[in-house]
Amino acid sequence: EAEVAQSPRYKITEKSQAVAFWCDPISGHATLYWYRQILGQGPELLVQFQDESVVDDSQLPKDRFSAERLKGVDSTLKIQPAELGDSAMYLCASSFTNNQPQHFGDGTRLSIL
Amino acid sequence: AQSVTQLDSQVPVFEEAPVELRCNYSSSVSVYLFWYVQYPNQGLQLLLKYLSGSTLVKGINGFEAEFNKSQTSFHLRKPSVHISDTAEYFCAVRAPSGYSTLTFGKGTMLLVSP
Repeated sequence: EAEVAQSPRYKITEKSQAVAFWCDPISGHATLYWYRQILGQGPELLVQFQDESVVDDSQLPKDRFSAERLKGVDSTLKIQPAELGDSAMYLCASSFTNNQPQHFGDGTRLSIL
Repeated sequence: AQSVTQLDSQVPVFEEAPVELRCNYSSSVSVYLFWYVQYPNQGLQLLLKYLSGSTLVKGINGFEAEFNKSQTSFHLRKPSVHISDTAEYFCAVRAPSGYSTLTFGKGTMLLVSP
């Protein structure tokens, strides 16, 4: 079982609705990552946090996506409004520092109807 | 910026046969290299990594990989596969310094049959 906790595991929602994902990293890990993995592709980084600060959100579609890690521990990724093309696996990962290997959660599979 | 090419989208192999999954990378700077495995509906698990030193790296589950700088390759090998090795395998690369991004290939599906 993955040590990085994510919920929910599965989410089905209609387009134009809001959706949120939650991630609890491994205790003590300062760096947290959100990835999007489209079926048949490798994960692509959406946003990276160092403690509570965003250090890379260059690939985050900021018109509809937002991410926060207010206390530097757990994190929430939100999409509003959801679009059909957002259907994917959303993976959270954490590492002790940005130079250490990343540990992944089991992901949230999002389906937009 | 770095990029990764996994040349095979699928590799079928019989149980107990050897396997090689190919990975080539492109980078203008030195790199760290990784192989991850993903089982259905799960996250990625680190198999092995190359940071520096010996070019032959051993990982978990009997896998190993060899870093070849002149060929810009990091191929993954296992001498004898099991049914349980059936999964998606991802090669990834990142620059050693700062907050550089981990860039993944598109993955290779290893299909092990009896």
